[in-house]
Amino acid sequence: QVQLQESGPGLVKPSQTLSLTCTVSGGSISSGSYYWSWIRQPAGKGLEWIGRIYTSGSTNYNPSLKSRVTISVDTSKNQFSLKLSSVTAADTAVYYCAGLLWGVGYGAFDIWGQGTMVTVSS
Amino acid sequence: DIQMTQSPSSLSASVGDRVTITCQASQDISNYLNWYQQKPGKAPKLLIYDASNLETGVPSRFSGSGSGTDFTFTISSLQPEDIATYYCQQYDNLFTFGPGTKVDIK
Repeated sequence: QVQLQESGPGLVKPSQTLSLTCTVSGGSISSGSYYWSWIRQPAGKGLEWIGRIYTSGSTNYNPSLKSRVTISVDTSKNQFSLKLSSVTAADTAVYYCAGLLWGVGYGAFDIWGQGTMVTVSS
Repeated sequence: DIQMTQSPSSLSASVGDRVTITCQASQDISNYLNWYQQKPGKAPKLLIYDASNLETGVPSRFSGSGSGTDFTFTISSLQPEDIATYYCQQYDNLFTFGPGTKVDIK
């Protein structure tokens, strides 16, 4: 059973770059049916999709964050990563990595990490 | 981009009650809609995919219906373990979640 685990700093200073890594265990990140995504949730608020990557390196980003987001993949380490630049307090949230099962007429986040809290503060 | 709305934003119901949540998309998304359950402090869990298909292992008291712009999520008989926030999510054009519906026990 595939599991995901987020890792990275829990505190980032304003204007700096937030960097998180998601490690995939129990299966290969190169499974053909999955894209790999980042989703965030500010405290007490809803879910916001940040972006997704396929193991080919192909990416899609939320237009509202596109100018600041980079998602990359390292298949040798079975990991994918998120970088969010020029952060402000508005980027404070729980960040989830998720597996997006994708196919013709199918697109659901059916694997989730436990989430990691990132606070932006000086 | 596609906007999602949900109603109500919260509800209280008794154990055994039928609970219905609606989700509306800002444009036609066919049946490209999923429903998730999120309990406090936990990651969301997929319950319904493609508007009406029950994810493996999910109790049959959960169901979904709809297509186009209007969708419905139903719990046929509310159980104490169903206390959670429920989100709809479209995947017709990238991905957008609804604002959520918090379900409590009366």
